[in-house]
Amino acid sequence: GAVVSQHPSWVICKSGTSVKIECRSLDFQATTMFWYRQFPKQSLMLMATSNEGSKATYEQGVEKDKFLINHASLTLSTLTVTSAHPEDSSFYICSARARSGGNTIYFGEGSWLTVV
Amino acid sequence: DAKTTQPTSMDCAEGRAANLPCNHSTISGNEYVYWYRQIHSQGPQYIIHGLKNNETNEMASLIITEDRKSSTLILPHATLRDTAVYYCIAQIKAAGNKLTFGGGTRVLVKP
Repeated sequence: GAVVSQHPSWVICKSGTSVKIECRSLDFQATTMFWYRQFPKQSLMLMATSNEGSKATYEQGVEKDKFLINHASLTLSTLTVTSAHPEDSSFYICSARARSGGNTIYFGEGSWLTVV
Repeated sequence: DAKTTQPTSMDCAEGRAANLPCNHSTISGNEYVYWYRQIHSQGPQYIIHGLKNNETNEMASLIITEDRKSSTLILPHATLRDTAVYYCIAQIKAAGNKLTFGGGTRVLVKP
C-alpha cells in the first residue's frame, strides 16, 4: 500500500509554545489529507480536511486559529498546534487519499504530543 | 455516511480464523465497506474494502451479504500480532470524502 509518514513521532513542548507536525505522502500525490486526534482509549476524531493550495476545512468545534493547517504541496501537509496547553496533549494522526490506489485512504504512524 | 455497528470486543485463539462482524443496515448503493485496524499506539492500517462482491487480499477476506446490510472480515489464521482495534466504515469512494471512525472491535488474540 501507499506510504504516509509523519514527523516527529513524539514531541514534548512547554505550555504556550507552538509545535508543528508534518505529514508526507512518500510515494504518491495527495490533493487531500486529513488530520485526526485521538485521546487514550477513544476512537479517532476528525479535526480537519487539508486541501492542497487552499484553506483547510475544519470540523465543528475545532478551532482553526489554534490548529493551523497548511497543505503547500501535493506531498506535504503540516499541522501547527499554537499556544499549546496540557489539554492539547494527544495522539495526532494524518491520512491521505491515494488517487492511484482507487481513492483508498492511508494513515501515517501518528505523532504523540505532550504539553508540559 | 451509513452508521456501522460492531461488537465492542472479542477474543480469538491464535492460529484459528477470526470472524469480525459489522452491521450497516442503512448503507446506500454507492457506499463501500472499508476495514482498518489500529494496533496500539500506531496509525490505522488499511486492510480491505469492497462494494458488493466478496474480496480477498493477503491480509484478509471480506464477505458482504447479498443485501449489503452486513459484512464479515475474516482473518484466516490469527496471530498474536493481529491483536488490535478493528474498524468497519461505510463510505463513498470519492476524492473529498473523509473516513469517520466509530468505536470499532477490540480483538485480542490469545495463545
